[in-house]
Amino acid sequence: ELKVEQNPLFLSMQEGKNYTIYCNYSTTSDRLYWYRQDPGKSLESLFVLLSNGAVKQEGRLMASLDTKARLSTLHITAAVHDLSATYFCAALYAGNNRKLIWGLGTSLAVNP
Amino acid sequence: DSGVTQTPKHLITATGQRVTLRCSPRSGDLSVYWYQQSLDQGLQFLIHYYNGEERAKGNILERFSAQQFPDLHSELNLSSLELGDSALYFCAGGLIGSYNEQFFGPGTRLTVL
Repeated sequence: ELKVEQNPLFLSMQEGKNYTIYCNYSTTSDRLYWYRQDPGKSLESLFVLLSNGAVKQEGRLMASLDTKARLSTLHITAAVHDLSATYFCAALYAGNNRKLIWGLGTSLAVNP
Repeated sequence: DSGVTQTPKHLITATGQRVTLRCSPRSGDLSVYWYQQSLDQGLQFLIHYYNGEERAKGNILERFSAQQFPDLHSELNLSSLELGDSALYFCAGGLIGSYNEQFFGPGTRLTVL
């Protein structure tokens, strides 16, 4: 059974600093997704990673995928307050029912 | 704005009651996924419909049911409501094969008193 673990679950960081959120998954998955959720709002798709070694960047966020290590990372560069949100990763279950298996989310607070 | 619509935005009801949540996916999306998000359980996948047919079930209670209509909108029916059913309910649309990316609606906040 595919399981997805994120860490840390809570992250408080200062503006201008760098940090990485980790997403581990337990069995083979060929796609990894990152979403952002602001408090009380919906989930917004950030990145879709399709293959081993995939790297995608948008602004201060960069996501990568290592399928051999079953690990995806979301790297935050020079954080700003606007990045404060909860970030979810999800892995695509490779069985017949191709559903997304979600991590618990990382709640990020960027402080001045 | 993802293009996915959900109604109502907020719903307050009493224990034992039945409610219906509605979702319309983006034009062209054949899939609808339903999720429940609560503080203690996180984001829980409930059910997936594709072009009117049920494709996958997650942690959906027997008191809950869903369907997808010919025009591709979907309804999630919650019955015999309990206090613990209070949560945000999201639907997401998408195309199978289009990277399986899911596009979320704004959600319905259900409060059971």
